[in-house]
Amino acid sequence: EAEVAQSPRYKITEKSQAVAFWCDPISGHATLYWYRQILGQGPELLVQFQDESVVDDSQLPKDRFSAERLKGVDSTLKIQPAELGDSAMYLCASSLARGSNEQYFGPGTRLTVT
Amino acid sequence: GDSVTQMEGPVTLSEEAFLTINCTYTATGYPSLFWYVQYPGEGLQLLLKATKADDKGSNKGFEATYRKETTSFHLEKGSVQVSDSAVYFCALSYTGGFKTIFGAGTRLFVKA
Repeated sequence: EAEVAQSPRYKITEKSQAVAFWCDPISGHATLYWYRQILGQGPELLVQFQDESVVDDSQLPKDRFSAERLKGVDSTLKIQPAELGDSAMYLCASSLARGSNEQYFGPGTRLTVT
Repeated sequence: GDSVTQMEGPVTLSEEAFLTINCTYTATGYPSLFWYVQYPGEGLQLLLKATKADDKGSNKGFEATYRKETTSFHLEKGSVQVSDSAVYFCALSYTGGFKTIFGAGTRLFVKA
């Protein structure tokens, strides 16, 4: 069964350092989402891509976060500089098309900022 | 704006007990409703969904009915198993690929 891949699974970094996460969606899925899930809360959307274009980044802290999906396939989310409050699970999800609201999630990257 | 409210956990049940996890929503339009499940150390998995009022979603013995009159989508299972221990998220989204809004999640512990 096809899955969304994410790496790394765990990342510990010091505050003010840069960190990057990678996501490879299910093959053929045009829409890709990055979510942040703080412990004890539900996921919150950071950015949504349709192919290589950003369609929603209204909740992305653009002073320190950036995301790209250059060829419309895999994607990278970067934080620079990391802050203590960025400690969370970062989830990637994909869906077949923008009209489909059924999303498939990867296992996530757990970030700890010290 | 739109929002989802779930009952606070944790919910602790014995094996074979009946499960209800309450979920209510506030929506400006007519969204689809979802339940996702998250097992320890894993991402979210879609458990079931309903796309319009009075629809019943069901999967793996779980079911939920889209109740427009009470703006609710409560999750139920007649007989839980230890393997059902996980965090359950209620969510809503609109067709057209708009963002999904999640509740805070309800942790379920099932004891043998």
